[in-house]
Amino acid sequence: DARVTQTPRHKVTEMGQEVTMRCQPILGHNTVFWYRQTMMQGLELLAYFRNRAPLDDSGMPKDRFSAEMPDATLATLKIQPSEPRDSAVYFCASGPGGTYNEQFFGPGTRLTVL
Amino acid sequence: AQTVTQSQPEMSVQEAETVTLSCTYDTSESDYYLFWYKQPPSRQMILVIRQEAYKQQNATENRFSVNFQKAAKSFSLKISDSQLGDAAMYFCAYLYNFNKFYFGSGTKLNVKP
Repeated sequence: DARVTQTPRHKVTEMGQEVTMRCQPILGHNTVFWYRQTMMQGLELLAYFRNRAPLDDSGMPKDRFSAEMPDATLATLKIQPSEPRDSAVYFCASGPGGTYNEQFFGPGTRLTVL
Repeated sequence: AQTVTQSQPEMSVQEAETVTLSCTYDTSESDYYLFWYKQPPSRQMILVIRQEAYKQQNATENRFSVNFQKAAKSFSLKISDSQLGDAAMYFCAYLYNFNKFYFGSGTKLNVKP
C-alpha cells in the first residue's frame, strides 16, 4: 500500500529555532508539493517540484523558508528561524505527473512554535 | 487569477439523507480539472472524485456525484445515503496546467445519526 510519509508528525519548538520537515513521496511519483494549512488561510501551496527541480515556490516566505529535494525519495521543508505565525499543519503530497496529476497527501506535520 | 470559492462553511445532514456541497471557481481557461477532497479528523486528505472540464458527463463514484456546470463555473458535490463516516471537511480544488492546485476554504460536513 504505497503512501506518502512525513516526519515528524508533531513538532513543538521555540521561536527562533530551526525546523526541518521531511517527506518521502510515493515511489515513482515525479511531482512533490508542500502545503500549509491554517484555520485562517486554509490550504496554501508553498512550493512544488517536478523531477526534483523546483517549479514554483512563490507561495513560500523566502527569507525563512526553503524547500529542497536532495534525491527522488526525500523532500525537505526547512524554516529558519521559526516564528509563532508558522504554527500550522504542513502537508506534503506527491503525484505521478501526467494529465491530471492526482495528488496523494501525506498525514501532515503539525508544527507549534511557542 | 484562479480562485475557488466554497460559500458554505458548515453543513449538516441526517444519516441516510442526501446533501449537496457547493463550489464555484473563476478561470479564463478552457481545459482544467476539478476535484473534491475529504479531510476527516485524522487530517488525511483523501481524493473523493475528479472531473475533467472537457467532459460533459458528470463524474460519479458510488454515493458521490458531481454537478458540473462549466458555463456557470460551478462544481457541486452530492453525497447520497449519507453515512456517519462521511463527516469531514470537504475541499473543492481546481487544477490548472497539470501542476498548480487551488483549494477552496472548505465545508465542514456534520452527519447526524
